[in-house]
Amino acid sequence: GENVEQHPSTLSVQEGDSAVIKCTYSDSASNYFPWYKQELGKGPQLIIDIRSNVGEKKDQRIAVTLNKTAKHFSLHITETQPEDSAVYFCAAHQYNFNKFYFGSGTKLNVKP
Amino acid sequence: DVKVTQSSRYLVKRTGEKVFLECVQDMDHENMFWYRQDPGLGLRLIYFSYDVKMKEKGDIPEGYSVSREKKERFSLILESASTNQTSMYLCASSGWGGYTFGSGTRLTVV
Repeated sequence: GENVEQHPSTLSVQEGDSAVIKCTYSDSASNYFPWYKQELGKGPQLIIDIRSNVGEKKDQRIAVTLNKTAKHFSLHITETQPEDSAVYFCAAHQYNFNKFYFGSGTKLNVKP
Repeated sequence: DVKVTQSSRYLVKRTGEKVFLECVQDMDHENMFWYRQDPGLGLRLIYFSYDVKMKEKGDIPEGYSVSREKKERFSLILESASTNQTSMYLCASSGWGGYTFGSGTRLTVV
């Protein structure tokens, strides 16, 4: 089955700096890669996603890049703000099996 | 927007009790999932269902069962709750609109 690894497990940045979280996956059949943000006491919420036919996607301060050859994808947050502090999860999805495989999460702390 | 609603945010149950966690989605999604989330272990899939009355074991099904009598409702059952089942439980559903989580139920077994 698929194996998704996520790094780092914790990340601390100064407000205004950029943050990068990286994930690797093992199964080349995975074709959809969402990112989730989980705030304290809440369920994960989708913040951005990318499909395997696209190399990069941006939404305001958030971007995701995908390298299919290397089987890795990354979340980039620019101009970080304290409200970006949360746990972020990456996931890989295989349409045929309709299962999501999650990374172990990254706790991002943005210091004011 | 897809809404996935979990009936309780916090639950405290006694060891040995039978516990029901309810999840309802409003977007006619066929697929529904139950996860537990523990510090350092990420999200672990307990059971999932791709149709009414259908269920599949996930990675950690032991001690749990599920019920899907209607398309919109997926229940997780702890037959005899134990302290090692103290955790955050997350329900999710998926369809063409994507994959959406509920807000979670924090279960404490004492």
